[in-house]
Amino acid sequence: DSGVTQTPKHLITATGQRVTLRCSPRSGDLSVYWYQQSLDQGLQFLIQYYNGEERAKGNILERFSAQQFPDLHSELNLSSLELGDSALYFCASRSGQGPSPLHFGNGTRLTVT
Amino acid sequence: GQQLNQSPQSMFIQEGEDVSMNCTSSSIFNTWLWYKQEPGEGPVLLIALYKAGELTSNGRLTAQFGITRKDSFLNISASIPSDVGIYFCAGRPMEGSQGNLIFGKGTKLSVKP
Repeated sequence: DSGVTQTPKHLITATGQRVTLRCSPRSGDLSVYWYQQSLDQGLQFLIQYYNGEERAKGNILERFSAQQFPDLHSELNLSSLELGDSALYFCASRSGQGPSPLHFGNGTRLTVT
Repeated sequence: GQQLNQSPQSMFIQEGEDVSMNCTSSSIFNTWLWYKQEPGEGPVLLIALYKAGELTSNGRLTAQFGITRKDSFLNISASIPSDVGIYFCAGRPMEGSQGNLIFGKGTKLSVKP
């Protein structure tokens, strides 16, 4: 158990809809990262937050947004969903202090029909 | 953008055999991490490397941070069926990528009992 909790585990929705994915980082970790993993693809970095503030952006679409709340949990919002958005979405956290590895949650599998 | 070349893409081996996989880049990295992902789960950290030349073991796993800072390898000795999964390398470049990890596309390991 990595200590990173993601909900829901599975999500099935229709094109054009909006969903929210939730992540609780490991206790004490200030940095939260979101990654997308499509079928047979590696992990694509979407966005990072540190202590409530956006720190870095990767290949995140404009239809996607995220935020980190004062209690450090984070949400990833995906809107105007398309079939191609079907993927595994992972949240990861790290302490943010010095060199430290990322610890991943078990992901949310999103299926857009 | 920066990329990691991870090889091989897949391996089919007999139980008891040793396994070796590696990642290379044209850029210099200051961190190398190795993760294992099993179906339906998030990547789990196996080994973290922070210094050039560093050689670290975790049970039957051994990984090294290349002296040039542009590569890393992971060895698994005496493989067993539960070693099955996808192994990802990840690196943090010295420059660029806003300090975030870049992931290889993974090595899919299959072990025949």
